[in-house]
Amino acid sequence: GEDVEQSLFLSVREGDSSVINCTYTDSSSTYLYWYKQEPGAGLQLLTYIFSNMDMKQDQRLTVLLNKKDKHLSLRIADTQTGDSAIYFCAESHTGTYKYIFGTGTRLKVLA
Amino acid sequence: DAGVIQSPRHEVTEMGQEVTLRCKPISGHNSLFWYRQTMMRGLELLIYFNNNVPIDDSGMPEDRFSAKMPNASFSTLKIQPSEPRDSAVYFCASSDVSGANVLTFGAGSRLTVL
Repeated sequence: GEDVEQSLFLSVREGDSSVINCTYTDSSSTYLYWYKQEPGAGLQLLTYIFSNMDMKQDQRLTVLLNKKDKHLSLRIADTQTGDSAIYFCAESHTGTYKYIFGTGTRLKVLA
Repeated sequence: DAGVIQSPRHEVTEMGQEVTLRCKPISGHNSLFWYRQTMMRGLELLIYFNNNVPIDDSGMPEDRFSAKMPNASFSTLKIQPSEPRDSAVYFCASSDVSGANVLTFGAGSRLTVL
């Protein structure tokens, strides 16, 4: 069945760039998302990319999509301690309600 | 908009008791989701409502779980009787399922069943 995979942990130093990776199996995905979950809070949309795009940039965030390899990445430039959270990759299709979430990557930013 | 509002934020109860979790979605959103989050199983979709009608309840674990959406601004998730394995964080999310189908999540209800 459809699956989204992520590594569980990532640790970076403050000021460095963070790259969180995700692989998915459903080649017909329309949208791919990155959600952020801070402690004690719900998931919050960070950004999303439409499947016909290769890259999307939004301030410190850069999303890269490699459809051939079914690989999605999120780069956070100049990572700050406030970026420490769990980051979820997810995919869905136009006109449907179903989301497939990854297991989440816990990012720890060291001061 | 205040976002998706969930209550209670925390609930501690004893096995066998009834638990009711509540959700107020974002005004104008026509879709509502209940998810459960645990360390072992991650995020699981329990039930999906569209225009107040349950469309997919295949994720509801068993008959002890029920969900209702009596109107566009309110939904409940009920567990009766509750068991320790139901301990989890329960999230409500809403969307207008159009365009990019972005989900807006509530802050969650952390349930502990002793």
